[in-house]
Parts: sequence; C-alpha cells; structure tokens
Amino acid sequence: AQRVTQPEKLLSVFKGAPVELKCNYSYSGSPELFWYVQYSRQRLQLLLRHISRESIKGFTADLNKGETSFHLKKPFAQEEDSAMYYCALKLSSSASKIIFGSGTRLSIRP
Amino acid sequence: ETGVTQSPTHLIKTRGQQVTLRCSSQSGHNTVSWYQQALGQGPQFIFQYYREEENGRGNFPPRFSGLQFPNYSSELNVNALELDDSALYLCASSLGTGNTGELFFGEGSRLTVL
Repeated sequence: AQRVTQPEKLLSVFKGAPVELKCNYSYSGSPELFWYVQYSRQRLQLLLRHISRESIKGFTADLNKGETSFHLKKPFAQEEDSAMYYCALKLSSSASKIIFGSGTRLSIRP
Repeated sequence: ETGVTQSPTHLIKTRGQQVTLRCSSQSGHNTVSWYQQALGQGPQFIFQYYREEENGRGNFPPRFSGLQFPNYSSELNVNALELDDSALYLCASSLGTGNTGELFFGEGSRLTVL
C-alpha cells in the first residue's frame, strides 16, 4: 500500500542549528514527492517539489529512491521556520491522488 | 487573484444528519480536490473533480459525495453523519488534474458531529 511516514510529531531545535525533517514513503511506482508547510494562522501551501530540485527559504530535499526517503533539510534554522510540515506523495498511477504524511511540527527556539 | 474560499468555517451536526460544504476554487483553476484532516493527522484524500466529473477517489464510503459546477466551484456532501466524521475538511484547487502536484488550499470547514 502507498504510504508516507513522518516519524517525528515534534522537532525542536535552536535558532542557527541544522534542521532535518524525516520523510519515508512506500510506493512501487515512480514517485513524485513534495513538502507542504502550514505557518501559524495560514493555510497549507507548497514548499518544494523534488522534480524542481530547488531551494526554497533555504530548505532542500533530495529524493533517495534506494532508501525511499525525502528528508527536508536546512543548514541554519530561523525562528520564522516554525510551522507544521507535511511530506506528500503523488502517485504516478493516479493524476489526482496525493497522499500526505501525518506531519511534523517544527519549533525553533531562540 | 482570488484564493480558495470555503464555507461554512465551522459547523456542528448530530449523528445521522447530512451536511454540505462549499468551495470556490482559485481564479483560473478548473480542478477541485477534497481532503479530510482529523486531529493530529495529515490530510486524507476524499476525491477530486475535474470538468464536473469525479476524477479519482480515496478510501471513503459512498455517503461522501460531491459536485462540481460549471464555474468550477464544488460541494462536498456527507450523509448519515458519524462521530468519526468530525474533522477539518479542506478544499484544494489546481489547474488541470494536478500533474504538477501543486494544490492551493482553502482554510477549511471544521465539522463537529455530536
């Protein structure tokens, strides 16, 4: 079955420290992975997608098909990074269905 | 550019009742997806509508149904409400059937079933 796993419900790091939000997926097809973010009192929005290979707000994520992972990383955390982060998987077999993980709350301590 | 709007923002129903939630898609978007988000969980895909037709469905029973109108707005209907239907219902619009994976979400309708 297709699944997205985010093992940490809460991750708390100090400002300036590196951040890594873990995401593992289970899918036998060709995956497309995304990170969505929800800041306080804002709506859920796309942060980045693996096919773009881009860095957004200092965050990067590399798709590792061998380890079926798509971890989100940032070398130096900022207080404004505090938010809820969701990893998401788009199935190649379905143009419509996107599966979300349960989310990780990132808290940056000053 | 007008974003995704949902109504109502909050509502309370009792078991067995029926509910209709509404969504207006972002300007220029022709596809609407509905998600259910229970407390502490990620959004769960209910279904997607494209050109007024259902274009994919998640693991939800038939009492969850929907409509899309010619102006691309959409409704989610839930019959015979159960306590477990209590959740935040999110609508997301996109251009096309979501091939880019970018969904534009509304703020949600929070449903409480007593």
